[in-house]
Amino acid sequence: EDQVTQSPEALRLQEGESSSLNCSYTVSGLRGLFWYRQDPGKGPEFLFTLYSAGEEKEKERLKATLTKKESFLHITAPKPEDSATYLCAVHIKAAGNKLTFGGGTRVLVKP
Amino acid sequence: DTEVTQTPKHLVMGMTNKKSLKCEQHMGHRAMYWYKQKAKKPPELMFVYSYEKLSINESVPSRFSPECPNSSLLNLHLHALQPEDSALYLCASSPGGLNEKLFFGSGTQLSVL
Repeated sequence: EDQVTQSPEALRLQEGESSSLNCSYTVSGLRGLFWYRQDPGKGPEFLFTLYSAGEEKEKERLKATLTKKESFLHITAPKPEDSATYLCAVHIKAAGNKLTFGGGTRVLVKP
Repeated sequence: DTEVTQTPKHLVMGMTNKKSLKCEQHMGHRAMYWYKQKAKKPPELMFVYSYEKLSINESVPSRFSPECPNSSLLNLHLHALQPEDSALYLCASSPGGLNEKLFFGSGTQLSVL
């Protein structure tokens, strides 16, 4: 069965303390892996799409990487405004051409 | 305009009420989606419209009825809901192919009493 697992479930960081979030997947026929950021009571906001192993993308303090089995979202020197839930999702053609979301990682950055 | 607009932002309804959620986008996107999200859970896909035709229905109960009147609008009609249907309902759109980069609205927070 196709699965997407994010870890840790929650992460508390001090401002400036860099860390990484993990998204591991056991799927066949990956067509894309997406990272989203979601603030409480809001819809997810698109961050990155990764398509092939070895690909990396960066935006401000965030960097996403992809291997054949997992993706990492690195947060460098986080600020309190980086506090949010980070969701990864995979697009699998075999799964009826839909996105499958992981459970998310709730990140809290304390000043 | 790069927004997906959802109305209302909040909705409280009784189990015998009929209400509708509305979603609008003016980005020329041809795929539109309804997701349901419970607290501290990821979004769950409900329906997908592609080029104004229903292409995915994730076995959603018939008390939820989607409608796509045109390429910019998406509605979700609600009737005889249950308290367990209380959730954040999210609309999203994508440019052309299914499940490209999704643009989400801010959602409608629904409470069923």
